[in-house]
Amino acid sequence: DAKTTQPPSMDCAEGRAANLPCNHSTISGNEYVYWYRQIHSQGPQYIIHGLKNNETNEMASLIITEDRKSSTLILPHATLRDTAVYYCISYFVIEKLHFGTGTRLTIIP
Amino acid sequence: AAGVIQSPRHLIKEKRETATLKCYPIPRHDTVYWYQQGPGQDPQFLISFYEKMQSDKGSIPDRFSAQQFSDYHSELNMSSLELGDSALYFCASSLLGNTIYFGEGSWLTVV
Repeated sequence: DAKTTQPPSMDCAEGRAANLPCNHSTISGNEYVYWYRQIHSQGPQYIIHGLKNNETNEMASLIITEDRKSSTLILPHATLRDTAVYYCISYFVIEKLHFGTGTRLTIIP
Repeated sequence: AAGVIQSPRHLIKEKRETATLKCYPIPRHDTVYWYQQGPGQDPQFLISFYEKMQSDKGSIPDRFSAQQFSDYHSELNMSSLELGDSALYFCASSLLGNTIYFGEGSWLTVV
């Protein structure tokens, strides 16, 4: 698995867009970028993933740079329920997920 | 939609006892993963199974064993429990090559 680096913590005002960065400069061509989040002591929740193109679903958008060395997860209108630890993981889909330290996102009222 | 089901949700055992955790994957998923998350730590991969065969192994103690059964459910057996085994244990499942989904976890407390 390629190593990813994320800021340890971030704050975002409720109702604003939360932009969570992730660096994965050693990602290989067949590794996807996956995002999960873990709300206190609950099971990690899948958010979104992508390979090369930007992706959007009902939860978030994923912007991947053209060189694939970094990405940004965007929560368009953050709510208090989005407070969680967000994990950016790059991996080859037939292998296991390796969790790094993630970003602790706090949504401020 | 059906999710990954884990049981029991909470378990309290004494040192040196044995514990068994069960995991029922999402229907038609062929791969099961087990993770351990200690207090204040990130989830750590223990072991995985694909089509009932062990496919990968992480930092799983020799006191732990696991298997996947013919109906694809999996069990994690932990023997000679130690205080340090107290943790949240997650099971996850996927259809090989696709997104991995996690259960809500089983809390194990060793006293």
